[in-house]
Formats: sequence, C-alpha cells, structure tokens
Amino acid sequence: IVMTQSPDSLAVSLGERVTINCKSSQSVLYSSDNKNYLAWYQQKPGQPPKVLIYWASTRESGVPARFSGTGSGTDFTLTISSLQAEDVAVYYCQQYISTRTFGQGTKVEIK
Amino acid sequence: QAQLVESGGGLVKPGGSLRLSCAASGFTFSDHYMSWVRQAPGKGLEWLSFISGRGDSVYYADAVKGRFTISRDNAQNSLFLQMNSLRGEDTAVYYCAREGISSDLWGQGTQVAVSS
Repeated sequence: IVMTQSPDSLAVSLGERVTINCKSSQSVLYSSDNKNYLAWYQQKPGQPPKVLIYWASTRESGVPARFSGTGSGTDFTLTISSLQAEDVAVYYCQQYISTRTFGQGTKVEIK
Repeated sequence: QAQLVESGGGLVKPGGSLRLSCAASGFTFSDHYMSWVRQAPGKGLEWLSFISGRGDSVYYADAVKGRFTISRDNAQNSLFLQMNSLRGEDTAVYYCAREGISSDLWGQGTQVAVSS
C-alpha cells in the first residue's frame, strides 16, 4: 500500500491552523471491525518518531487536544488547530492494515 | 518505564554484514510484535520488518527481503536484525519499535554507514 502525503512542506504562522493530507492507494478500513488502520507520527529533529493518533482519529495519551485526525477509507487528514512553536516537526502517516507503510512526510515550519 | 535501546551500528564496506540489537525493558517483551524501521539521511521513515511476539511470524519489506533477517530472544528481551550484502543505500539510522495498536515505543536509533 502506497501512502502519499500533501503538501511536502508548509509554513504557517503561530496560532494558525495546519492541515496535512494523507492518501492511501488502497482502503485501510477493515470491514470486520470498521476501523481505519491509520496512524500519525510526529518527528522532531534528532529524535525518533512519536505516535500522535491511531485508528485515524484516536489521540495517544498525553497528546494535546489541538491535534486531531479525520478521514476514512483512503483519505485522511491531520489537523493542528492552533500551531505552537513546539509543533515544528515532520509529520508522517502510516498504514498498518497490511504490514506497515509510511507516507513521505510533511515538514511543518513557522512562517 | 518502557524503553528500547539499539546498538550494533557502525561503518561497514559494501557487501559486508552487520548485526543490530535492540534491548527492551520496562514491559513484557514477548507480548508484542516488534519492528525495524530506518531513516536515510534527510529522508523519511521506511519500515523494514516485523516479528511476532513468539517469533514464529516474520514479514519484510521488498527492499530488504533476502538480505536482512529479523529475530528475537524473549529470554533476553532482545530484538535483532542481521543485515547482509549491505549497499550504500542501506546507510541510515535504524530504529526498533514496539508494535501495539501502532508503533507506540521507539528507541533512539543506531547509525549504519555503508561506504568503502
């Protein structure tokens, strides 16, 4: 399954909304449990990735509420409702319905 | 506190071999699938392989199938990646990750450089 993110990078002012899209080449919705096998990760420079969201929309414990995930099937979105300085990072989507595949990443910077 | 610590990286010549290790602590290692993921310099994340909790099911990405072998020792809480026939494009930071619903725990990574 190929995961394609857009855009590759974006620069947003502090406090503004960030939207990152992720499209899978096949549906990651599993009919047996009606769950989307899609996760979002944040990776800051020099650090390993950190999971933000799984099942497409469930926030990992401790992740701020400004991060949210939506979508189903093949189209997904990660939204940061109000960008903070500490959110500067590269964000990756990942499907886990069939082994694992990551998107190419989206770099978020401050304008 | 759950933790993963990779080791075994280094500089190796093309065609050479390297064995990476990942030491797990703070959780029941045998309950979890475990993965290896790599990141080439300035590039994105690439999933390589995972192994079931008992070690009886393994999966590989096409890029490493036939060259890399994943294994684990649950008695030692350790995960391994045997890498053979290494190429320049295998140069990367190699991470081990615990598989829960997602890849929910990562090590800090170990650097592998393949160069003559």
